[in-house]
Amino acid sequence: SQQGEEDPQALSIQEGENATMNCSYKTSINNLQWYRQNSGRGLVHLILIRSNEREKHSGRLRVTLDTSKKSSSLLITASRAADTASYFCATDGRGSTLGRLYFGRGTQLTVWP
Amino acid sequence: EAQVTQNPRYLITVTGKKLTVTCSQNMNHEYMSWYRQDPGLGLRQIYYSMNVEVTDKGDVPEGYKVSRKEKRNFPLILESPSPNQTSLYFCASSLSDTGGADEAFFGQGTRLTVV
Repeated sequence: SQQGEEDPQALSIQEGENATMNCSYKTSINNLQWYRQNSGRGLVHLILIRSNEREKHSGRLRVTLDTSKKSSSLLITASRAADTASYFCATDGRGSTLGRLYFGRGTQLTVWP
Repeated sequence: EAQVTQNPRYLITVTGKKLTVTCSQNMNHEYMSWYRQDPGLGLRQIYYSMNVEVTDKGDVPEGYKVSRKEKRNFPLILESPSPNQTSLYFCASSLSDTGGADEAFFGQGTRLTVV
């Protein structure tokens, strides 16, 4: 399977702390993306990082990509209760069907006030 | 506003009664897909379409059908629903180009219960 795997499955922190989630995948990729899902709602795109990029920032989000280790991390700095959600990584699998994404099982983040 | 619209949001039906979940996008995206989400299993792709009249199976296509007669619409059809199709369903769309998969836009989901 080309599905990515997030780690940890669940993460519980206090407001103001940083949250780090990791993603590992199995095949070569063009892009890796991170999505957020509030309980029972649709996924929302957070950030896309290309295979030739090593780090990307968007507001309080920082994403790194290590293609040699086939892994990525998502860091949320100064977390807030509103960041409570599930976070998924998705890869596109170079050589697979154009446009297709492979999702992991997600990390459930809980941020306590 | 760019969006993917699914209907209905909630549906309870009985085993064997045909149903259709509609999906429409207003972004002129070529690529559309359907996923189901089950606890502990993440998102699994059911079917996808790369353009009008071009559809193909994803990872879990059994028991489902799709069609892509227009670029904006991609309905999911359950000809004879069974209880194991009880799940949360998502439609998504994106551009697709040679640079890899682009940002996907998701609908709000359809929670289906088959009794």
